Amino acid sequence: AQSVAQPEDQVNVAEGNPLTVKCTYSVSGNPYLFWYVQYPNRGLQFLLKYITGDNLVKGSYGFEAEFNKSQTSFHLKKPSALVSDSALYFCAVRPLDSNYQLIWGAGTKLIIKP
Amino acid sequence: GAGVSQSPRYKVTKRGQDVALRCDPISGHVSLYWYRQALGQGPEFLTYFNYEAQQDKSGLPNDRFSAERPEGSISTLTIQRTEQRDSAMYRCASSLEEGVGGTDTQYFGPGTRLTVL
Repeated sequence: AQSVAQPEDQVNVAEGNPLTVKCTYSVSGNPYLFWYVQYPNRGLQFLLKYITGDNLVKGSYGFEAEFNKSQTSFHLKKPSALVSDSALYFCAVRPLDSNYQLIWGAGTKLIIKP
Repeated sequence: GAGVSQSPRYKVTKRGQDVALRCDPISGHVSLYWYRQALGQGPEFLTYFNYEAQQDKSGLPNDRFSAERPEGSISTLTIQRTEQRDSAMYRCASSLEEGVGGTDTQYFGPGTRLTVL
């Protein structure tokens, strides 16, 4: 079965430190990869996506993600965390045999401490 | 509009009642999606529209759930004879067009929090 794993339920980072939120997937072929963020009482917001090309993708709010084909991973990163980055982060994958269906991870709660 | 809007934002209803949840997609977006999201989990696909055509309803859990998008814009998700297990956040998303090699980004609304007592 196709799946997306976010192995950490919660990640704690001190403000100013780099952050990484992990995502690995088990999907046939080379899927398209997405990161979304959910702030309290707000909808899911698109952060970035990988389609093809450079393995390092830059997105909104200073976030970036690195696609690693051999490890089937798409980890979200930011060089210097802000308290305002505290939110719930979701990784999603679209298999190539689907033009709209997304497979979602369970989410990772990111807490940035001042 | 600036983004996807949904109404109501919160809905509390009694078991057995029908509810209708509304989604207004981003203007010009062809594709519309409904998801259900339980607390602490990722969204679960319910159904997908391309213009007014319901292309995929495989995620609808049972025949109490239905959705329509009669004019290819606003969509309504209806749950008949609600049950407590229907309580969840219902999210709508839209994207500019179908396919395009699957690269299209889905943009989400704020969701409707449904509570069935």
